[in-house]
Amino acid sequence: DVKVTQSSRYLVKRTGEKVFLECVQDMDHENMFWYRQDPGLGLRLIYFSYDVKMKEKGDIPEGYSVSREKKERFSLILESASTNQTSMYLCASTRGGALSGANVLTFGAGSRLTVL
Amino acid sequence: GENVEQHPSTLSVQEGDSAVIKCTYSDSASNYFPWYKQELGKRPQLIIDIRSNVGEKKDQRIAVTLNKTAKHFSLHITETQPEDSAVYFCAARHGNQFYFGTGTSLTVIP
Repeated sequence: DVKVTQSSRYLVKRTGEKVFLECVQDMDHENMFWYRQDPGLGLRLIYFSYDVKMKEKGDIPEGYSVSREKKERFSLILESASTNQTSMYLCASTRGGALSGANVLTFGAGSRLTVL
Repeated sequence: GENVEQHPSTLSVQEGDSAVIKCTYSDSASNYFPWYKQELGKRPQLIIDIRSNVGEKKDQRIAVTLNKTAKHFSLHITETQPEDSAVYFCAARHGNQFYFGTGTSLTVIP
């Protein structure tokens, strides 16, 4: 019962290409997140969204943008990919506010991006 | 923002021994502290969590303790088994955001 789906598990792109990473959740969650995971650095927040068309920068937003046109879908965009963006990208979602379950992050399977 | 530090980065224990992973956080406004387990090639999964108004929580072989005054929390795994081998992440929730530690790679030696 996969609840957070990332469309691409593995991508190989060239420097300068535009890259789209898609994430879809079927739990009607308000909050969605994009993290980057690198060895020894843990999970670092790139952007998050607490509602449709709303977004907030995380700790490392440089070089990334996001789009949330529908509640269930949160896209991460690399306008011009660079080699230092080679990484594992994890999408996650939670319920919003103080609702039960608001604290539980549900992760997608991850998208491993290699930029050559 | 919040800063979460996690130690050790790697930990090896013999099967049956206990494992302890420690985290500190910087912002006293953080109010929820989950622990995630990530097996090789898989997504992180929540294994246990604790709220700021609780000092300790147990679930079978795993437990989490929280010291709000010192701003640190720990994960304790007793009677470790080979299937406990994974990377463990602590996190702190501050507002709508979750801040993660850098992870601990636990190896349980049969």
